[in-house]
Amino acid sequence: DVKVTQSSRYLVKRTGEKVFLECVQDMDHENMFWYRQDPGLGLRLIYFSYDVKMKEKGDIPEGYSVSREKKERFSLILESASTNQTSMYLCASSLSGLSTDTQYFGPGTRLTVL
Amino acid sequence: KQEVTQIPAALSVPEGENLVLNCSFTDSAIYNLQWFRQDPGKGLTSLLLIQSSQREQTSGRLNASLDKSSGRSTLYIAASQPGDSATYLCAVMNRDDKIIFGKGTRLHILP
Repeated sequence: DVKVTQSSRYLVKRTGEKVFLECVQDMDHENMFWYRQDPGLGLRLIYFSYDVKMKEKGDIPEGYSVSREKKERFSLILESASTNQTSMYLCASSLSGLSTDTQYFGPGTRLTVL
Repeated sequence: KQEVTQIPAALSVPEGENLVLNCSFTDSAIYNLQWFRQDPGKGLTSLLLIQSSQREQTSGRLNASLDKSSGRSTLYIAASQPGDSATYLCAVMNRDDKIIFGKGTRLHILP
């Protein structure tokens, strides 16, 4: 079974803090993704990575950066957290980049920025 | 336990035709339903989001409907183009914040 884990289920940070959200997958998947999920807006893609050290912007990359130093780990970074980044963050991975590849999601991190 | 089914699994239509993709779900107590497209090498792109209180949403050539009582949603694509070729995913968000995806419909538009 594919396992995607996220470092925290719940996180509370203050405005201006630097925040790291970590995601690890154990199935040697090529592609990894970060989404945020908001009521009324659904799931939106922030960034994705198709290989180590490679990254691509998604639909809403502003205010975020990512890091993929190892194949199994994909980090989402909020350089200076703001209240509008309060959200549920979901990480996903897929075997390759085929459009038929299933994306496997982690349990999510609910981030609150005060 | 919520289950989401998409029919057909694959579809090929000539360019210019209108088409309908179907999605059904077993538990009608959903918060919203979202349609995505998935392209090779990229993440999911959100197409349309329908809240549980809404019956349809439109964006350009796309129209999505929701019939919560019967557990069904359709995605209508008008005047299909080769660029519409992708996998289309339906996902429901339950009231416990869990998102359940269907397996998708692979759409191929023939030039």
